[in-house]
Amino acid sequence: GAGVSQSPSNKVTEKGKDVELRCDPISGHTALYWYRQSLGQGLEFLIYFQGNSAPDKSGLPSDRFSAERTGGSVSTLTIQRTQQEDSAVYLCASSLATSGGQETQYFGPGTRLLVL
Amino acid sequence: GDSVTQMEGPVTLSEEAFLTINCTYTATGYPSLFWYVQYPGEGLQLLLKATKADDKGSNKGFEATYRKETTSFHLEKGSVQVSDSAVYFCALSDRDGGYQKVTFGTGTKLQVIP
Repeated sequence: GAGVSQSPSNKVTEKGKDVELRCDPISGHTALYWYRQSLGQGLEFLIYFQGNSAPDKSGLPSDRFSAERTGGSVSTLTIQRTQQEDSAVYLCASSLATSGGQETQYFGPGTRLLVL
Repeated sequence: GDSVTQMEGPVTLSEEAFLTINCTYTATGYPSLFWYVQYPGEGLQLLLKATKADDKGSNKGFEATYRKETTSFHLEKGSVQVSDSAVYFCALSDRDGGYQKVTFGTGTKLQVIP
């Protein structure tokens, strides 16, 4: 695709419900990242995918958070039993994965999650 | 682990003023360094980058030089415009366990007033 797309753009849910956030990376980008950006805060790394595998899950805040990627393309971030502190903008980024480590990350527009 | 520290915001400047946003880093390897910008209501986008020591990244009048000796990558612009109002993020990309890992700073909000 032309850029990274994310859906939904906005999600309002009730505390305790599960939510799924989707990311569609740029075609051909094998690396995919999820971040969380809370109001007034910086970017909090959540998880990284290389192809379909997730070498680094160190940023997931709790076991309520999980993510998967299938076909080396679309990724889904799932938050179970949402809490109010989960309210944030969830950003997805993708990049080419070369050996140099110089790759630019291309960000999607984000999903704004509000847990009531 | 790797970390990026950038100056606290918000930074408020008058139009045509000189801008510096400080960024320092710690890294286990030899990272690439980036500045990303987030304009109001928009997503993050790359502003500039540098991949080795003494490289200077530049774009839209902004510059930053990769200083390995001081582990810094300060962002500068000689004359800011109202349209430069945004949040600026410093970031580094390093290889960690055989794959690329990107670490972001907390962001610095810049407000330029006419």
